[in-house]
Amino acid sequence: NAGVTQTPKFQVLKTGQSMTLQCAQDMNHNSMYWYRQDPGMGLRLIYYSASEGTTDKGEVPNGYNVSRLNKREFSLRLESAAPSQTSVYFCASSTGGGGSYEQYFGPGTRLTVT
Amino acid sequence: DQQVKQNSPSLSVQEGRISILNCDYTNSMFDYFLWYKKYPAEGPTFLISISSIKDKNEDGRFTVFLNKSAKHLSLHIVPSQPGDSAVYFCAATKYGNKLVFGAGTILRVKS
Repeated sequence: NAGVTQTPKFQVLKTGQSMTLQCAQDMNHNSMYWYRQDPGMGLRLIYYSASEGTTDKGEVPNGYNVSRLNKREFSLRLESAAPSQTSVYFCASSTGGGGSYEQYFGPGTRLTVT
Repeated sequence: DQQVKQNSPSLSVQEGRISILNCDYTNSMFDYFLWYKKYPAEGPTFLISISSIKDKNEDGRFTVFLNKSAKHLSLHIVPSQPGDSAVYFCAATKYGNKLVFGAGTILRVKS
């Protein structure tokens, strides 16, 4: 039982390049989330998927797209990377209801855009 | 507009003593609150939570207190251990679909 896994762990991009961050969970959770963490800012929600087949914008969605590929997988795409997207990205999942709101996080992807 | 605020960027405590981490929120619609702990180069891990219908929840050395009238919650760690040194985030949600996080407090427990 691996929980939430993310690939890659580290990535360096040049401005304008594109990439996809991958996330998978094996806890049969309905909801999945993408966050970014910047110094002094806490974790900010980029996009989330309340259930398979749905996605919604979070607090900071500009410059990103997401795909909920199936119940297990939720990917985040940067179409044209910018230095402002240098950050640590976390994927998380949760049951999505039933009075239990805890989210479980992956280990993160550290992205640098030069 | 920060809806969840952790006004202390850092806290230093002696091993064995109590650590108190504080969190304030502005949105009265929040009905569930959580604390997460994060070590360097790892993802946040869930620590403890509390529903707005309660004012206290305990789990071993960790206790969370909620004061709804003051829109304030706190996490007490007793006794503090060196392994508790980490960044602590409080988070809040209404209806459970999205968490709003504070900026975090770095806790250092000195041995």
